[in-house]
Amino acid sequence: NAGVTQTPKFRVLKTGQSMTLLCAQDMNHEYMYWYRQDPGMGLRLIHYSVGEGTTAKGEVPDGYNVSRLKKQNFLLGLESAAPSQTSVYFCASSWGTVMWAQHFGDGTRLSIL
Amino acid sequence: GQQLNQSPQSMFIQEGEDVSMNCTSSSIFNTWLWYKQEPGEGPVLLIALYKAGELTSNGRLTAQFGITRKDSFLNISASIPSDVGIYFCAGRKRNGANSKLTFGKGITLSVRP
Repeated sequence: NAGVTQTPKFRVLKTGQSMTLLCAQDMNHEYMYWYRQDPGMGLRLIHYSVGEGTTAKGEVPDGYNVSRLKKQNFLLGLESAAPSQTSVYFCASSWGTVMWAQHFGDGTRLSIL
Repeated sequence: GQQLNQSPQSMFIQEGEDVSMNCTSSSIFNTWLWYKQEPGEGPVLLIALYKAGELTSNGRLTAQFGITRKDSFLNISASIPSDVGIYFCAGRKRNGANSKLTFGKGITLSVRP
């Protein structure tokens, strides 16, 4: 049982490049989330999804897009990467209305040069 | 955005000591969660609290949902070196499809052998 899997684990981009981070969960969770973690800032919610085909903005959505075409996958896209997007990105998933705890992947460390 | 306050940012204790951490807010939360994050990994859920006044244990860890619903406490007894990591509190203000977790900035715990 893999839980929440994020790919890639590391990536270095140049300013202006685009890329997509993939999150996959095998727990049949309805909710999925993307966070970024920066030193001294804790975890900040970028976007989230309450079910297949739905997405919503979190606390810091600018510069990111997401898609949830399949229940088990949640993609985070950077259309034109900026140095301010250098961070560690975490995906999480949870049940809907019964269990509130979120289960996290191991993160993607992204550097924008 | 809504903040959960965790302080100090770092704590240093001797192996075998007990340690207590708290998490406070100016707002009421309906759910409190405590996570631990180790280097290179995602946060892992330690304890979840769902009712005001609730006291829950997980091995050497004990957490309490404050009676005012504006705070929560985590205690670690008889600390060991593997307790090293960052401890995050997280809270949810209400139930429902659009309720989201708010995270504290975390406390980095160091345990001296």
